[in-house]
Amino acid sequence: GQQVMQIPQYQHVQEGEDFTTYCNSSTTLSNIQWYKQRPGGHPVFLIQLVKSGEVKKQKRLTFQFGEAKKNSSLHITATQTTDVGTYFCAGPDNYGQNFVFGPGTRLSVLP
Amino acid sequence: DAGVIQSPRHEVTEMGQEVTLRCKPISGHDYLFWYRQTMMRGLELLIYFNNNVPIDDSGMPEDRFSAKMPNASFSTLKIQPSEPRDSAVYFCASSLAVANYGYTFGSGTRLTVV
Repeated sequence: GQQVMQIPQYQHVQEGEDFTTYCNSSTTLSNIQWYKQRPGGHPVFLIQLVKSGEVKKQKRLTFQFGEAKKNSSLHITATQTTDVGTYFCAGPDNYGQNFVFGPGTRLSVLP
Repeated sequence: DAGVIQSPRHEVTEMGQEVTLRCKPISGHDYLFWYRQTMMRGLELLIYFNNNVPIDDSGMPEDRFSAKMPNASFSTLKIQPSEPRDSAVYFCASSLAVANYGYTFGSGTRLTVV
């Protein structure tokens, strides 16, 4: 079935440094979603990308969908301790019936 | 809107006991999903419903797991009998549509089977 992979699995950064996580699929995705899960919390929907090459920004977060719609990235500028958590990408399964979540990238921010 | 509501928040039970997890989706959301999250396996989709009808239960681990959605505002996930390997956080999520809207997750139920 459809799988999305994410790298890195873990990332430790100093507060103020930038952070990027990458999401890759072996097949073309019609769209892709990103979620954030704080430690001890639940996944929270951040954004959905649909168009090839699309770039969307939410304050310090920049989301990008690849031209081939097989990869996506989330970049955080000048990380803060509030950015700590696990970031998941999710893409539609082979039948477009539901979203398959990647394994996530766990971000730690050292103050 | 109060969001997706799950109960209980925590459940500790002995092996062999029956466990029932409950979920109230957001009103108007036609899709309801049950996920299990563990460190080893990440977020796994167990089953999802559309308009109260189970669509895909291929993620349900085995016959010990069952899920129902008797109406648009309530769903249950039951494990009988429970085993220690069922220990995980179980999330319920709902969505307006299956592939073009974000999922809203509940706060989860942390299940510990001893």
